[in-house]
Amino acid sequence: GEDVEQSLFLSVREGDSSVINCTYTDSSSTYLYWYKQEPGAGLQLLTYIFSNMDMKQDQRLTVLLNKKDKHLSLRIADTQTGDSAIYFCARGSQGNLIFGKGTKLSVKP
Amino acid sequence: DGGITQSPKYLFRKEGQNVTLSCEQNLNHDAMYWYRQDPGQGLRLIYYSQIVNDFQKGDIAEGYSVSREKKESFPLTVTSAQKNPTAFYLCASSTFLAGSYNEQFFGPGTRLTVL
Repeated sequence: GEDVEQSLFLSVREGDSSVINCTYTDSSSTYLYWYKQEPGAGLQLLTYIFSNMDMKQDQRLTVLLNKKDKHLSLRIADTQTGDSAIYFCARGSQGNLIFGKGTKLSVKP
Repeated sequence: DGGITQSPKYLFRKEGQNVTLSCEQNLNHDAMYWYRQDPGQGLRLIYYSQIVNDFQKGDIAEGYSVSREKKESFPLTVTSAQKNPTAFYLCASSTFLAGSYNEQFFGPGTRLTVL
C-alpha cells in the first residue's frame, strides 16, 4: 500500500463540518502536516501537529492524531465555499515530506 | 516580500525539445525541491537539494536534470528523454533540519504542455 493514504473526494454542504482522514505506515515522523491547494496554485501550509500531541486546534481547524492507529484527521468547522480545494496530508521524513494523493473537498451551497 | 517564484506559469513545448523551468527563492532556505503533479497522483518528488552544489534524485528523476549553483535558484530541465512530460510542476523550499519542523513553502507552479 501507499506510505500516506487519503480518500480522493469529499463533498459537504456549506455550514457543515468536514472531516478529512489520512493514514500512514511509518510512525517515525516527528511532525505531520496538512496543506491546502486551490485550483491552479501551489500548496499552502494549513496546520501541523507534533507527534507527541493528540490534538491541535486553530480557529476552525482541528487536527486529531492517533499514533497507535497511525491515523491523522483534519476537521474544518462551518465549512464555506472558499474551503473548496485539495487537501494534502504529509509526514516528515529525513528532512523531506511524503505526501498523500490529496482529498478534493467540494462544498455545496 | 519573501517568497518563492516560478516562471513561466504556462509553457508549451514540442516533442523532442528540452525545456527549463525556473525556480527562485529569497527566503534564505538551504533546501529546494521539485515535484510533479498529475491528476489523482498527488505530488511526486523529482529532485531535491539540501545545499548549494549538491542535489539528490527523488522518486521519478528519469528524464529530468537540475543544477544548484546558487542558494536562491534551482532550475529544472525537462529533457526529451522524459516520455510523458505534460504535467503541473511545483517547486518548494525549506530550512533543512532532519527530524525537526520542516515546513515547505511552495511556488505557484508551472503547467507544461507538450504539443
